Amino acid sequence: GQSLEQPSEVTAVEGAIVQINCTYQTSGFYGLSWYQQHDGGAPTFLSYNALDGLEETGRFSSFLSRSDSYGYLLLQELQMKDSASYFCAVREDTGRRALTFGSGTRLQVQP
Amino acid sequence: GAGVSQSPSNKVTEKGKDVELRCDPISGHTALYWYRQSLGQGLEFLIYFQGNSAPDKSGLPSDRFSAERTGGSVSTLTIQRTQQEDSAVYLCASSIGQGASSNEQFFGPGTRLTVL
Repeated sequence: GQSLEQPSEVTAVEGAIVQINCTYQTSGFYGLSWYQQHDGGAPTFLSYNALDGLEETGRFSSFLSRSDSYGYLLLQELQMKDSASYFCAVREDTGRRALTFGSGTRLQVQP
Repeated sequence: GAGVSQSPSNKVTEKGKDVELRCDPISGHTALYWYRQSLGQGLEFLIYFQGNSAPDKSGLPSDRFSAERTGGSVSTLTIQRTQQEDSAVYLCASSIGQGASSNEQFFGPGTRLTVL
């Protein structure tokens, strides 16, 4: 079957760095995405990796290793507003752009 | 605003009733998706529309669920004979149909459906 595994909760302090891991087992793979969702809000896109390596966007970076079926989201210089749920999602088909989502990691940033 | 909009924001219905949920995608986005999210869970894919192609209905959980997209824009998700397990937040998203930017999906605020 298809599955994405990520930790359910992570806690960190302001200014710190946190890494949220995601391992996947899917029928196909055409890229790994990350989305952020604040309580009661809509998911918002953070990043997309189709190839191995690190993608950096400001304080957030995302990494992919296709041989290991593994990726992570790295958040630096944590701020209180980063408290949210973070979802990894796999695109399984080149034509079908619908995503298969993990269950999400709830990040709590403490002062 | 130019984002994805959904209506209603909240819907409470009785078991056995039919409901219709509406999604207005971002203008010019040819791809439209419906997902649902149960409390504390990830998003579950339901259906995907791309341009004039036949929709991908592979995520619909039962034949009580159906969706239409009229004129390549507005979409309606219909749930017939609602059950309590249908209670969830139903999220609509849209994206540009092709190219690297198509990997970014823009989500609406969702419709919170409660079946009593």
